[in-house]
Amino acid sequence: GAVVSQHPSRVICKSGTSVKIECRSLDFQATTMFWYRQFPKKSLMLMATSNEGSKATYEQGVEKDKFLINHASLTLSTLTVTSAHPEDSSFYICSALNGNGYGYTFGSGTRLTVV
Amino acid sequence: GENVEQHPSTLSVQEGDSAVIKCTYSDSASNYFPWYKQELGKRPQLIIDIRSNVGEKKDQRIAVTLNKTAKHFSLHITETQPEDSAVYFCAATDNTGGFKTIFGAGTRLFVKA
Repeated sequence: GAVVSQHPSRVICKSGTSVKIECRSLDFQATTMFWYRQFPKKSLMLMATSNEGSKATYEQGVEKDKFLINHASLTLSTLTVTSAHPEDSSFYICSALNGNGYGYTFGSGTRLTVV
Repeated sequence: GENVEQHPSTLSVQEGDSAVIKCTYSDSASNYFPWYKQELGKRPQLIIDIRSNVGEKKDQRIAVTLNKTAKHFSLHITETQPEDSAVYFCAATDNTGGFKTIFGAGTRLFVKA
């Protein structure tokens, strides 16, 4: 079945630094990937839709200059949290649209802690 | 845009009883409705889904019903077991336009042994 690999699983960084999170589809081509943010005991909040070869589409209220998304290949999308602040601490999780057009496979998530 | 409401937020049942979680959506263009189970600190796992041309789907102890007219869909878990304890999310997707998935707020299910 479709597998999505996400790295790193955990990262701690200092305020002001940038962190890159990778999301790879391992056995299928994912032209569309999605990035979510999840606060403790809360739902998944869609941040942006990442389309291979084009600019990401950001949801209202999400700062595109802060959360940089790059989808340079059919199997890789990256999310870079720039100039991280403690309030950016969260669980970030990607998902990829399966090749059949239905169903989404999630990555394992990245727990970001900004100190 | 799409809005998905999910109830209840917390559900506690005795082992062996049934559990029902209900969701409503706002965008009539939504045509795909997956349900995910998420255990603490782990990724959501798809447990069942239903497309808009179907009213009901069942997979062993799990079933989902969809009422497109009322924009309601529900998850039914029968003969619950302690390992069913998790957070369950419903979601709605418009697969013909953008494939965006909007999630409900989640239901924390506790199954007491």
